[in-house]
Amino acid sequence: NAGVTQTPKFRILKIGQSMTLQCTQDMNHNYMYWYRQDPGMGLKLIYYSVGAGITDKGEVPNGYNVSRSTTEDFPLRLELAAPSQTSVYFCASSDLRVRSGYTFGSGTRLTVV
Amino acid sequence: GENVEQHPSTLSVQEGDSAVIKCTYSDSASNYFPWYKQELGKGPQLIIDIRSNVGEKKDQRIAVTLNKTAKHFSLHITETQPEDSAVYFCAASSGNTPLVFGKGTRLSVIA
Repeated sequence: NAGVTQTPKFRILKIGQSMTLQCTQDMNHNYMYWYRQDPGMGLKLIYYSVGAGITDKGEVPNGYNVSRSTTEDFPLRLELAAPSQTSVYFCASSDLRVRSGYTFGSGTRLTVV
Repeated sequence: GENVEQHPSTLSVQEGDSAVIKCTYSDSASNYFPWYKQELGKGPQLIIDIRSNVGEKKDQRIAVTLNKTAKHFSLHITETQPEDSAVYFCAASSGNTPLVFGKGTRLSVIA
């Protein structure tokens, strides 16, 4: 099993461009999450999903969109990229219950210039 | 909502010494407290967790303690080794709400 796979690993965007960060998991987990990690700030939740067709906002959703059409995939869309979105983005998944522990992907490092 | 504070932000210890990282949380409904280790260039990995009906849990050199009355929990690493050097995150959750993470502690083990 590959676990949680994120692509791309690195990306440089110009201000105003758009892109989609891909995330796929092969563990048949119902719950999926997107966090961003800024230096010294820990991990902040952007969006999460409890199953296909269901998504909800986290602490910092502005400037992002998500969709969950299948159990496996949970892409994160950035529209009109801004320098404040420069960060490392982590996708994670967990079993039906949060308390089963998260499996994280290896992250996408995004720079907006 | 939940707020998790983590201290210290950086910690240096000599190889073989113990390291302690402390976290406090604000939501008395929180009942799940995991700890994650993040090595350079990688995603966080779960190393140990504790639930609210347990006061202490140990796994080899790692232990976690929980004080629900005071709303704090701690990670203890004994006999530290250079491979323990990493960033450690605590987190908290109530029921099935997403985890709220602390800001992390960068642990350096000096050989």
